[in-house]
Amino acid sequence: EVQLVQSGAEVKKPGESLRISCKGSGYSFTSYWISWVRQMPGKGLEWMGRIDPSDTYTSYSPSFQGHVTISVDKSISTAYLQWSSLKASDTAIYYCARAGSRNWFDPWGQGTLVTVSS
Amino acid sequence: DIQMTQSPSSLSASVGDRVTITCRASQSISNYLNWYHQKPGKAPKLLIYVASSLQSGVPSRFSGSGSGTDFTLTISSLQPEDFATYYCQQSYSTPFTFGPGTKVDIK
Repeated sequence: EVQLVQSGAEVKKPGESLRISCKGSGYSFTSYWISWVRQMPGKGLEWMGRIDPSDTYTSYSPSFQGHVTISVDKSISTAYLQWSSLKASDTAIYYCARAGSRNWFDPWGQGTLVTVSS
Repeated sequence: DIQMTQSPSSLSASVGDRVTITCRASQSISNYLNWYHQKPGKAPKLLIYVASSLQSGVPSRFSGSGSGTDFTLTISSLQPEDFATYYCQQSYSTPFTFGPGTKVDIK
């Protein structure tokens, strides 16, 4: 079974750093891009960016460029999303998703809730 | 960026109803259009990809059509498990963008 399993919920203070993870299994991890998608409380879906695990090439939405970093460790089939300095407005659920050949997203990870509060 | 709109933003329907949701792109995206639904507290799930291809395991009551800028998702006979929020997504160019969602609830 193709599966993406994300790390657990996080509670952080403004200014703190954070890295969340997304581990793929059941398929060749380096053969498919991984995207990250944000969902703020009660809101819709926003594509943040993606990474090609085979060569670590990344592409970001202009809305998120410079605010987050996407990386990968292909030796453990894991993609990461990280922040160097969190803001309260980063409070959201973050999903990773595997991209199909024309960039549809399937499957999705279960989501990681990030809460940033002083 | 390509902007995606959906209509309606919400609808109330009964089990057995035929439901149609429309998605429009701000420019032509060929058939690079995908549909998802999301139930409360769950991750989105792919229903239809490249406008009209049914994802494996998705019931055949779901269908998609369209090309260019206008697309539709149809549920031929709404079932209790279909009450959810539906999103379209363009995968024609980055940044990939989603529609604002259509919430389908019980009449």
